[in-house]
Parts: sequence; C-alpha cells; structure tokens
Amino acid sequence: NAGVTQTPKFQVLKTGQSMTLQCAQDMNHNSMYWYRQDPGMGLRLIYYSASEGTTDKGEVPNGYNVSRLNKREFSLRLESAAPSQTSVYFCASSAGTSNTEAFFGQGTRLTVV
Amino acid sequence: GEDVEQSLFLSVREGDSSVINCTYTDSSSTYLYWYKQEPGAGLQLLTYIFSNMDMKQDQRLTVLLNKKDKHLSLRIADTQTGDSAIYFCAERDQAGTALIFGKGTTLSVSS
Repeated sequence: NAGVTQTPKFQVLKTGQSMTLQCAQDMNHNSMYWYRQDPGMGLRLIYYSASEGTTDKGEVPNGYNVSRLNKREFSLRLESAAPSQTSVYFCASSAGTSNTEAFFGQGTRLTVV
Repeated sequence: GEDVEQSLFLSVREGDSSVINCTYTDSSSTYLYWYKQEPGAGLQLLTYIFSNMDMKQDQRLTVLLNKKDKHLSLRIADTQTGDSAIYFCAERDQAGTALIFGKGTTLSVSS
C-alpha cells in the first residue's frame, strides 16, 4: 500500500545548487501534481501532468521544471535553488483530472540557505 | 482566477462541535473537497460534496453547501483531540485539471 512516494524527505541546498525531487505512484493514476506549501499560503500548484506525456504550468512554475518520466513517475527539478524556494513540496496523483480524489505523498521539506 | 478563502484558526473544547467555513469563487465547480493534514504528514481526503447537493453527512462529519453564496462548511460533531489538524477546503480549477486549495484552518482541540 505505498500510494504516492516522494524522495527525499528532507534536503538542504546551498543557493545556486540544483536538485531533483522524485515522485512515484503505484495506483495506475493518469494525473500527477506538484504543490508547494508555505506558512499562511496553503498549497499552491507548481506544475501538473494530466496524463503521461503532457505537463502544464500551475500557479507558481517559475524556477522549476518537471518531467513525466512514465505513467508512474513525475519529477520536479530546481535548476538553481533560491532561498525563496524553501518550502514543503507535495506530490499528488489522481485517476483523472475531473472530479476524482487526489492522493498525496508525505512531502519533501527543502531548505535553501 | 479561482480563489478559496478560509479562516485561519479555530479553537474548541473536546466534545464540542467544530464548524470550519470556506468561500470559493468558481461557480462552475462540480465537486468541492475537504482535506485534513496532520502534523508532518501529507493531505488526506476527508469528504467531498457534489455541487447539486446541499448537504452530505458521513459519521461525525457534515458538509453544507450554499451554492448561491458559494459557501462551504464542515461540521465535526463531538470533536476529539485527535481531530486537531489543519483542514483545507478545495475546488477544481476552471479547466477541471487541478485542485485549488484554501490557506487551511488550524483546528486546536483542548481537553
């Protein structure tokens, strides 16, 4: 019963470093999402992938890139990390994009110093 | 664009009822959701309501939807200390592709 798995759980980066956050789901879901959660801001959508082979920008895409590697995996890349990207990142998946439940991973806590 | 508003904090005593309120902007939303986040964890779907319903009850949870006022509420009966968490209201965006979340309401339950 893995559901949505994110790695790593914690990461500290120096400004300017790059890294990739990994996400995998084992529920055969079509759609996957990346959100960031900041205090007092709720969850904001960074990028999403409605289906394998497609990706689209969300509300706050600047400074990020994504890859939908296959149906299971959706990665988020920070090319040159900035302190403003310090946040908790959540990956989610859902069977479709219409009205189905979204399942969330446990989150990656990223600190950029 | 779409926007979801919630009050940020609610404090209740154990055994009381809790009511968490939410307003949303997209009148075309077909489903509206309540998610719960416990400390250090991801979000879990608590319940959802279809837009043609006024009310949905699920054990201790009651969801009320006023579509005219674009107002959604979550009532938790007999609130327990284990209900302490952040509760998020969410709607689908206009394209129906992703969930738009409110900022979350932190519920604190004291014994």
